[in-house]
Amino acid sequence: GAGVSQSPSNKVTEKGKDVELRCDPISGHTALYWYRQSLGQGLEFLIYFQGNSAPDKSGLPSDRFSAERTGGSVSTLTIQRTQQEDSAVYLCASSSNGAGTDTQYFGPGTRLTVL
Amino acid sequence: RKEVEQDPGPFNVPEGATVAFNCTYSNSASQSFFWYRQDCRKEPKLLMSVYSSGNEDGRFTAQLNRASQYISLLIRDSKLSDSATYLCVVIEGYSSASKIIFGSGTRLSIRP
Repeated sequence: GAGVSQSPSNKVTEKGKDVELRCDPISGHTALYWYRQSLGQGLEFLIYFQGNSAPDKSGLPSDRFSAERTGGSVSTLTIQRTQQEDSAVYLCASSSNGAGTDTQYFGPGTRLTVL
Repeated sequence: RKEVEQDPGPFNVPEGATVAFNCTYSNSASQSFFWYRQDCRKEPKLLMSVYSSGNEDGRFTAQLNRASQYISLLIRDSKLSDSATYLCVVIEGYSSASKIIFGSGTRLSIRP
């Protein structure tokens, strides 16, 4: 069956531009997570959506970052006025119900390079 | 102190060897633990959950030591295909509001 998909797979942008990253979770999964992974580093939690509840934005590094999840399915992560330190791989994951013990299934990621 | 810490490695061992690495966590109230595997330039994938009593899956054994606040992963009879980065994951709480923390990973390289 279809897994988590993300687009674009690669994005190169100039400093100061806005970017939008998209995530399509596994159908029926109510929980969706965004993470950031810099070169050689672990995953940094960004934001978490569970069903129709207000998202947990506690991991967003600045107010330039925002995310939406429309209709409980597709999510977009928007980075405004990109900076070079935003360069990283942005990973999306979904899980069936968001319980702490749930397996997270990851998408292939979007590699963002800010010049 | 970091919430979750791993030895970054790299661990470089010959094929067939047994290798083990640990992951320490700072919050004694942490409830769930996992090992994920991440191949180079790929997404992480669940390797195994870690249960209180310890658990085994083929060549892989995971242990939890609550008293010392660490989890371990043991790989026996290592294969070339085991070369990857191993991420430990610690979850604080059972609910959907649980805090999920990934370690920065341990790199393992198996040589022929």
